[in-house]
Amino acid sequence: QVQLVESGGGVVQPGMSLRLSCVVSGFSFSGHAMHWVRHTPGKGLEWVAVIWYDGTTKYYGDSVKGRFTISRDSSKNSLYLQMNSLRVEDTALYYCVKDEGQLTGSFEDWGRGTKVTVSS
Amino acid sequence: SYVLTQPPSVSVAPGDTASIPCGGDNIGSDSIHWYQQKPGQAPVRVIYYNNDRPSGIPERFSGSKSGNTATLIISRVEAGDEADYYCQVWDGFSDHPGVFGGGTKLTVL
Repeated sequence: QVQLVESGGGVVQPGMSLRLSCVVSGFSFSGHAMHWVRHTPGKGLEWVAVIWYDGTTKYYGDSVKGRFTISRDSSKNSLYLQMNSLRVEDTALYYCVKDEGQLTGSFEDWGRGTKVTVSS
Repeated sequence: SYVLTQPPSVSVAPGDTASIPCGGDNIGSDSIHWYQQKPGQAPVRVIYYNNDRPSGIPERFSGSKSGNTATLIISRVEAGDEADYYCQVWDGFSDHPGVFGGGTKLTVL
């Protein structure tokens, strides 16, 4: 069965960096676009970033553009999110999400999330 | 930019039908997806491409669209349906294409 397991979350101060990882199994990783989506109790779900199935194209939400970088390594069945210049408002539970296809924009499977807290 | 509007809350008695609306200017031309999120759990897709239902999702869940509003319909509501529900579109013409509605808390009275 499909599994997506996130890691790398933690508590950091504003301005610092974190790198999230997501190891996947149970499907053909190279055949699917992958996303990061975050959740906060006050704002709900927010789409963060997408990377094409082949890694050639990436898009970001306005609130993270220029600070976050999404990447993938098919040899390791892994998805990453490099988060720089973190802000208090980046505090959230970050989900690794499998697209239904190469890029459909329908979020078929979700990991359990990794918690990021940005606080001074 | 694309904005999806949902009511913060909807309440319904067990056995009744719940309708959760999602409004947006371009909804008529875009596919809508719906997700259910229970406390402490990851979201689960319950409707995709407006009215398709993933395997394992009860037939009580359905979706519709009319004009600029999409609606998630839950028939014969059960206590276990109490959750937050989010609509979502993919705006393929934008460089920030993923858009969620603000979410609706469904309360089963």
